[in-house]
Amino acid sequence: DGGITQSPKYLFRKEGQNVTLSCEQNLNHDAMYWYRQDPGQGLRLIYYSQIVNDFQKGDIAEGYSVSREKKESFPLTVTSAQKNPTAFYLCASSIAGLGADTQYFGPGTRLTVL
Amino acid sequence: GENVEQHPSTLSVQEGDSAVIKCTYSDSASNYFPWYKQELGKGPQLIIDIRSNVGEKKDQRIAVTLNKTAKHFSLHITETQPEDSAVYFCAASFLGSARQLTFGSGTQLTVLP
Repeated sequence: DGGITQSPKYLFRKEGQNVTLSCEQNLNHDAMYWYRQDPGQGLRLIYYSQIVNDFQKGDIAEGYSVSREKKESFPLTVTSAQKNPTAFYLCASSIAGLGADTQYFGPGTRLTVL
Repeated sequence: GENVEQHPSTLSVQEGDSAVIKCTYSDSASNYFPWYKQELGKGPQLIIDIRSNVGEKKDQRIAVTLNKTAKHFSLHITETQPEDSAVYFCAASFLGSARQLTFGSGTQLTVLP
């Protein structure tokens, strides 16, 4: 099956801890994205990467970090600097990273800070 | 930057009726407008999109209309079915550029049997 996998589905962390969310795709897409989804606020872009070893900040990058060492993987680290990390996190990929490319989303990870 | 507003935030319709969701955008340079559907517990999925060189696009029971002058576009679902119940997101971007999608805040559509 081709697609995007995110793990874990649910994640709990204590305040002050860093946590890393996994995202893997086997669609051979060049571009990958991380979004944050909060109730009533739609999808907000955290980071995106159009090619391996390169990534750009989105609208709400503060308190987050990413890496893109492999084409198929784009992990997101939520650091202790993120003031309100409890949210639903969605990873996506697209062929080339242009605004009009169809984005394919994973099932998401729900992060709760205790 | 671009700002996309979406209304209503919730919408309930009887099965078989039509549903309309509206979005407005702020950047007149935007020329690509996709709609995504998010079912419970899943990631969003593209259902239809429109480019600014056309005013309307249809795909079976789904249609999207675009008014460039007024800077708004709408999703129309006819003959609604229970499986249409989901959250719908509109978005805007610019074709051929690296500018990423700006999403609306979403509409929770409930189709009542």
